[in-house]
Amino acid sequence: DTGVSQNPRHKITKRGQNVTFRCDPISEHNRLYWYRQTLGQGPEFLTYFQNEAQLEKSRLLSDRFSAERPKGSFSTLEIQRTEQGDSAMYLCASSLIPNTEAFFGQGTRLTVV
Amino acid sequence: DAKTTQPPSMDCAEGRAANLPCNHSTISGNEYVYWYRQIHSQGPQYIIHGLKNNETNEMASLIITEDRKSSTLILPHATLRDTAVYYCIVRVGNAGNMLTFGGGTRLMVKP
Repeated sequence: DTGVSQNPRHKITKRGQNVTFRCDPISEHNRLYWYRQTLGQGPEFLTYFQNEAQLEKSRLLSDRFSAERPKGSFSTLEIQRTEQGDSAMYLCASSLIPNTEAFFGQGTRLTVV
Repeated sequence: DAKTTQPPSMDCAEGRAANLPCNHSTISGNEYVYWYRQIHSQGPQYIIHGLKNNETNEMASLIITEDRKSSTLILPHATLRDTAVYYCIVRVGNAGNMLTFGGGTRLMVKP
């Protein structure tokens, strides 16, 4: 087990393009979370899954954002029609209920030019 | 979830104890205190959590006041590798719902 894995680590895209990020949680962790972090700020919650069910979505998750966890294992976060304001670090975390500590990946840094 | 207040930055000498304070005066009875840290360019790392009793693990100690309105994270012998942003978070229950991060405390450990 190598922890939470996120790919790619860095992504540069042109405004208006679609991007997709992948998160592989720690094996058998049933909860998976997505956060966004801009420079100098703490991470902001976007959404989380329990197994394949998406249980909560933040107001930050506009209709251009969609997240899936089709088989309760890995997850993808897609951003459609990217905007410069989407530039941020996207962090994924997982946890095993009833344990409460979440383990974070290294993040995917998105730059929209 | 209750809000927390932390100093924006602190310095600590290498080898000394680092004491990071956190105020959470509106904490509810079912809210736990969690501490995470984030080293530059890495994802946050869980440190410790507690409800009302003091807690200790291999990384740190957590001291929660009797009225639970504040807490202190103690790194007993700070090293340069402890330089990071430390986040104090309060969260309802002992379940894995989402974490609400504030601005945290930027701890600089100096030689």
